[in-house]
Amino acid sequence: ILNVEQSPQSLHVQEGDSTNFTCSFPSSNFYALHWYRWETAKSPEALFVMTLNGDEKKKGRISATLNTKEGYSYLYIKGSQPEDSATYLCAFQGNSGYSTLTFGKGTMLLVSP
Amino acid sequence: DGGITQSPKYLFRKEGQNVTLSCEQNLNHDAMYWYRQDPGQGLRLIYYSQIVNDFQKGDIAEGYSVSREKKESFPLTVTSAQKNPTAFYLCASSSRTGLGYTFGSGTRLTVV
Repeated sequence: ILNVEQSPQSLHVQEGDSTNFTCSFPSSNFYALHWYRWETAKSPEALFVMTLNGDEKKKGRISATLNTKEGYSYLYIKGSQPEDSATYLCAFQGNSGYSTLTFGKGTMLLVSP
Repeated sequence: DGGITQSPKYLFRKEGQNVTLSCEQNLNHDAMYWYRQDPGQGLRLIYYSQIVNDFQKGDIAEGYSVSREKKESFPLTVTSAQKNPTAFYLCASSSRTGLGYTFGSGTRLTVV
């Protein structure tokens, strides 16, 4: 079973703070790295899918970077807002030819006004 | 609107009974998946299907069964052989490449 680790497990910040999370994954047999945002009582929502080493993606105040050689990805949130409160999941997709994902346990973010 | 529908949202069953969770998608996705979430754990793959009439076991398939008779539907049966069935179950679908999943809203199963 593949090992995908996320840190920190949880984070509590004030509105306006910038924050970042880490996802580490196997550096071999890499195909893609996914980030999802999961708000309470809703479905997980896709944020980014990154496939190339050095990829950087941005969506509003949220951005992500990818280093496949060392097996890590960072997710950054600039100027956190209360509506950013959610669990952020990363998932590793290997190059086995199958489309399955291995998920980390997630980072739970709480942004206080 | 295209999406995935899971039903029911909450399900209670007595120990020893089989129960089937529904998952339907209208996204024309080839692949569908079932994941399970327990407190403090990440999503763990139960079964997946990349094409109609074919499916594969995931990491924790014991005590579960699935079918994929139609592209739109991928029901999961939790059998009495599953030792700890109480959990949150999440269904997802994707294109065959798997680059970007769409998730359902989940079913919380409680076995008493």
